[in-house]
Formats: sequence, structure tokens, C-alpha cells
Amino acid sequence: DTEVTQTPKHLVMGMTNKKSLKCEQHMGHRAMYWYKQKAKKPPELMFVYSYEKLSINESVPSRFSPECPNSSLLNLHLHALQPEDSALYLCASSLLAGGETQYFGPGTRLLVL
Amino acid sequence: DAKTTQPPSMDCAEGRAANLPCNHSTISGNEYVYWYRQIHSQGPQYIIHGLKNNETNEMASLIITEDRKSSTLILPHATLRDTAVYYCIVNTGTASKLTFGTGTRLQVTL
Repeated sequence: DTEVTQTPKHLVMGMTNKKSLKCEQHMGHRAMYWYKQKAKKPPELMFVYSYEKLSINESVPSRFSPECPNSSLLNLHLHALQPEDSALYLCASSLLAGGETQYFGPGTRLLVL
Repeated sequence: DAKTTQPPSMDCAEGRAANLPCNHSTISGNEYVYWYRQIHSQGPQYIIHGLKNNETNEMASLIITEDRKSSTLILPHATLRDTAVYYCIVNTGTASKLTFGTGTRLQVTL
């Protein structure tokens, strides 16, 4: 199984809503990542978890709150987002956090109204 | 991580080889060259990577120049399903961060 799954595929939320994005992998990978991709732009790293601990936060606003409850799951909690946060949110995983090949999920397309 | 330069777009006829160039003139000795691609509205997909030697797998070949300042990704028989944005990334063997450039949009046509 070389698949990273993400739910939901699409999400529309208001600026006062609270929602969560979910990512799951069953490859035994110990590093998981969140990327953000705006339209017609390359993906940009947001967070890195290594062995369920946050190891990199790329100065992401606190309205994005990551969580790694176990080695297979990664969540991104969203609260009080702005319309400019509308983007494709990609999850990835790798065996370890050091330069390993990353496997990406299909992403969640988020629209903030 | 070293920066990369790729042409913004390329066309290729179906069945022909697609050769995608990448310049990485400031690459360090411990940095690998990675290639990923992103088909429209999907997540990026790993293709291949290498350090010094040329590499080949079931998807593509990677040719790295002797001075390591540039490389070429070769899709030997491009199909319509290879239409995607191709990203060349240089990364050390210990860095977690993938820094995507703007990539090359490859259009495979009939």
C-alpha cells in the first residue's frame, strides 16, 4: 500500500467556522507533512512531523493548527480562516524526515468564503 | 538548498522522447537531484532522483552532467497521461524540506 489518503476532497467554509482536514497513511512512514498550494503556484511547505512530534513550522499563522495523534494520522485544524487561505492542501509522508522520497495525497481543495 | 531553473513550458509529440532540462549551477556536493511531477488537480508524484550517476527506473531516466550543474529528465515514450508540471528539486540527504520551483509544464500532444 503506497497510498496517502486525504479527506475531505473539497471543503467550503466560512470565516467563522472550525473545520479539520485529515490525512492517513499505512506505509509505516514516520514523517508527515502539510503543504499549501495556491492556484498556478508550486506547493509550499507548512509543517513537518517526525515521529509524531512537530519538527518544522514554516511560520504558519496560528489559525492553522496541526496535530499528529499517531504515526498513521495527520490532522490540520482550521479556525477563523481568511479568503486568501483558499488553496489546495496537500499531505505527504516519507519513511523518515531526512531527505527521503515523499509520497503525496490527492489534496483537499479548500474554499473560504 | 540550491535553486533550480527550468523552462516554463515544453511540448512533446506522443510516442516521442520528452527531454526536460534543469539547471542547478549552485548545487552542493551532498545535494541530490529529485524530480516530481504534478498532474492537474492531483498531488505531486515522485519520479526519480540521483546524486552523481545517471539513474533509470520504470518511469524515466535521469542524466546528470559530470559537473552536476545541470540534469535532464527523459521520458522515453511520452503519452498523453504524461502531461503535467514537472519539478526539479535539489535537496540534501538530510533535509526534510522540499522546495518546489515553478517547474516545467509539459504538454504531450497527438
